[in-house]
Amino acid sequence: AQSVTQPDIHITVSEGASLELRCNYSYGATPYLFWYVQSPGQGLQLLLKYFSGDTLVQGIKGFEAEFKRSQSSFNLRKPSVHWSDAAEYFCAVGARSGGSNYKLTFGKGTLLTVNP
Amino acid sequence: GAVVSQHPSWVICKSGTSVKIECRSLDFQATTMFWYRQFPKQSLMLMATSNEGSKATYEQGVEKDKFLINHASLTLSTLTVTSAHPEDSSFYICSVPDAGVGTDTQYFGPGTRLTVL
Repeated sequence: AQSVTQPDIHITVSEGASLELRCNYSYGATPYLFWYVQSPGQGLQLLLKYFSGDTLVQGIKGFEAEFKRSQSSFNLRKPSVHWSDAAEYFCAVGARSGGSNYKLTFGKGTLLTVNP
Repeated sequence: GAVVSQHPSWVICKSGTSVKIECRSLDFQATTMFWYRQFPKQSLMLMATSNEGSKATYEQGVEKDKFLINHASLTLSTLTVTSAHPEDSSFYICSVPDAGVGTDTQYFGPGTRLTVL
């Protein structure tokens, strides 16, 4: 069965600083990998996803992530954090469940605090 | 992105009562919807897959008689927590996969917070 580990429960950065959120996965086949952001009162929003191809994936809001098969990692990065980026971030791995759908397994999340 | 709504956003009920949570896909039809639960400071855990026109598929360890799922139409799925107890208090979230060509994206509702007294 697949699993996702987000080693950092809580990260605090200053506004304008760079950010890297770590994600490690375990899956027997080629993984579908995702990063979601959850803000209070709002549904999870997809930041980016990796299915195949270029291992450096660009997402919304200036985020990017790099798939490293040798390290089973899919770390999320942003060169300059904005105060509005403060939220909970979830990494997820998807496994096909038949047809065109897939099931998501989430990590426990990383809470990002941004200091002014 | 697509809009998924949930109703209610927050509910408090007494132990032993049943609570129904609705999940609506507002932008497209969905033959499949997913239901998750999230405990405080925890990850989202997939509970079940809701299938339009057929029975829901439950994940291991999820009581199907306790969490009743009905996929009433291509835009509506409901989760009923029957005979709720305090340990059922949680954040319930639905998602709708957009199976259109080249998308493979799941859109999440804002969640429903259930508190059982």
